[in-house]
Amino acid sequence: EVQLVESGGVGVQPGGSLRVSCAASGFTFAEYNMHWVRQLPGKGLEWVSVISWDGGGTYYADSVKGRFTVSRDNNRNSLYLQMNSLRTEDSALYYCARGARYYDILTGPEDWGQGTLVTVSS
Amino acid sequence: QSVLAQPPSASGTPGQRVTISCSGSSSNVGTYTVNWYQQFPGTAPNLLIYNNNKRPSGVPDRFSGSKSGASASLAISGLQSEDEADYYCAAWDGSLNGLVFGGGTNLTVL
Repeated sequence: EVQLVESGGVGVQPGGSLRVSCAASGFTFAEYNMHWVRQLPGKGLEWVSVISWDGGGTYYADSVKGRFTVSRDNNRNSLYLQMNSLRTEDSALYYCARGARYYDILTGPEDWGQGTLVTVSS
Repeated sequence: QSVLAQPPSASGTPGQRVTISCSGSSSNVGTYTVNWYQQFPGTAPNLLIYNNNKRPSGVPDRFSGSKSGASASLAISGLQSEDEADYYCAAWDGSLNGLVFGGGTNLTVL
């Protein structure tokens, strides 16, 4: 069974930094592209970033480009999102989600974690 | 204003067939595959349809997806009360170089 468990979400002040993590299990993590998707309370889904199975390719939403960095450690079956220069509008539930395998990166996620809440407020 | 346009709400009575549209452009739906997700309040989204019209195992065949040009649709037949949820479409956008979601459709079973 695919399991994705996010952690690291806390309250942080505007301009601050935070790293959220996702621990994956139940599948061969190193074979899959991985996404971050966020959702404001009561609002829709907003895609944040995707990283390729080998970490060699990354894409970002314009709203976070230059501020957020996605990375992964295939030895630890873990996905990370480093968030810098945080803004109030970055406050959201951040989901880790498994994409398709290998070179099929240009598709949506298939399996989702339960999310970790990031609050940016002074 | 989402890149993919969905109606904000839809409704139907039990047993009815309802469709939810997802309108995009040649840079997204017109070129790339569409996924559909179902989300209940307080829970994570769940993949309902992938690659335009394929159902993951465990998804009832009451749910079906289709795509024509730059538009996609999700159809739910034999509507049930437990189908009340939010539904989102998603596709890659080659111009934005990112994944885009529709704004979501809240389905009510009357």
